[in-house]
Amino acid sequence: DIQMTQSPSSLSASVGDRVTITCRASQSISTYLNWYQQKPGTAPKLLIYAASSLQSGVPSRFTGSGSGTDFTVTISSLQPEDFATYYCQQSYSTPRTFGQGTKVDIK
Amino acid sequence: QVQLVESGGGLVKPGGSLRLSCAASGFRFSDYYMSWIRQAPGKGLEWLSYISSSASTKYYADSVKGRFTISRDNAKNSLYLQMNSLRAEDTAVYYCASDTYSNPIYYFEYWGQGTLVTVSS
Repeated sequence: DIQMTQSPSSLSASVGDRVTITCRASQSISTYLNWYQQKPGTAPKLLIYAASSLQSGVPSRFTGSGSGTDFTVTISSLQPEDFATYYCQQSYSTPRTFGQGTKVDIK
Repeated sequence: QVQLVESGGGLVKPGGSLRLSCAASGFRFSDYYMSWIRQAPGKGLEWLSYISSSASTKYYADSVKGRFTISRDNAKNSLYLQMNSLRAEDTAVYYCASDTYSNPIYYFEYWGQGTLVTVSS
């Protein structure tokens, strides 16, 4: 199984900050990488698919990049509604594994 | 609009069984692969199983293989998860999600609100 490791596990940031979350795969997955955002008590929401394609309706302050084993999602200017937990997930092979999550909270 | 509505969760004793349902609307259900994903309290996301659009292909995570069975009824726009031999570690919120394909990648585009399964004596 492909292991997905996110860093950091949590971070504190302020509104307006630039935030970057990293996801590393245990083997090369090309660009078969998706990102989700989850707020407490709600279902995850797709943000980015295929490493860098922004899902319809997602603000342009979210940017995904990477290929192979190393990926990032960047929030260019953190907004109050962005405080949440973020998960990466690989679709290169089954089982489709998730990272452990990165919680972004208010500094 | 797109809706996925799970039902069937609840409290069950260890070793017991439960059947979850997911009712889909607002998209062409029969064209989509579908998956079940769960989240234990305070933990991350765990993919469990997917089923192809025609139900000809099914795949399971090792953690549930042999105990859980995924199925679908395209005429009813419904997805199911039969869970047998339940254990305490199966306690989680269970989500159904569309396994959307956009060449060449699959991603979980639509999600239900989740249904809580608690396994406890």
